[in-house]
Amino acid sequence: DAGVTQSPTHLIKTRGQQVTLRCSPKSGHDTVSWYQQALGQGPQFIFQYYEEEERQRGNFPDRFSGHQFPNYSSELNVNALLLGDSALYLCASSWTETHTEAFFGQGTRLTVV
Amino acid sequence: SQKIEQNSEALNIQEGKTATLTCNYTNYSPAYLQWYRQDPGRGPVFLLLIRENEKEKRKERLKVTFDTTLKQSLFHITASQPADSATYLCALDIGSSASKIIFGSGTRLSIRP
Repeated sequence: DAGVTQSPTHLIKTRGQQVTLRCSPKSGHDTVSWYQQALGQGPQFIFQYYEEEERQRGNFPDRFSGHQFPNYSSELNVNALLLGDSALYLCASSWTETHTEAFFGQGTRLTVV
Repeated sequence: SQKIEQNSEALNIQEGKTATLTCNYTNYSPAYLQWYRQDPGRGPVFLLLIRENEKEKRKERLKVTFDTTLKQSLFHITASQPADSATYLCALDIGSSASKIIFGSGTRLSIRP
């Protein structure tokens, strides 16, 4: 079991550009959540996907959008990048039927210049 | 406003002592509380989950308490080792029908030999 995998691991983008980050959940998990973690802070909840729909959302602007595919993998898209979007983006997978732990990927380090 | 506060940004203790980390929250009534460990540049790793009807949970050298009246959780590492040095994150599951995990800002624990 490969666990949660994210790609790419590092990315540098220019302000105003768009970016897509990818996540494959742990085998058997059907729910994917995305988090943004700034340096020295805890992860901030962006949104959660289940059955290919956004189910819950945190306090992030519409520039942040996502998608979940039939195989449960997910993408996070960020449009019109700002310098403040520079952060570690974490994907977490879980099984929706139980309140248990989330399994995290290693993250994508996004730098906006 | 809703907050999760971890009382120390950093904690530095001697090897062999017990490390105690505190998590306080306001304006939430979580049914579940979790603790995660995060190493630099890596995603968080789940350690323990405690339910609102449980007062205490143990796993090897780890112990978590959950006081829903005080809105506080304590996380203890006994017989601490340098390998325990990491950032520890308190997380609340505030979801109802499905998990929605939100995090505190973390406490950076350093164990000196």
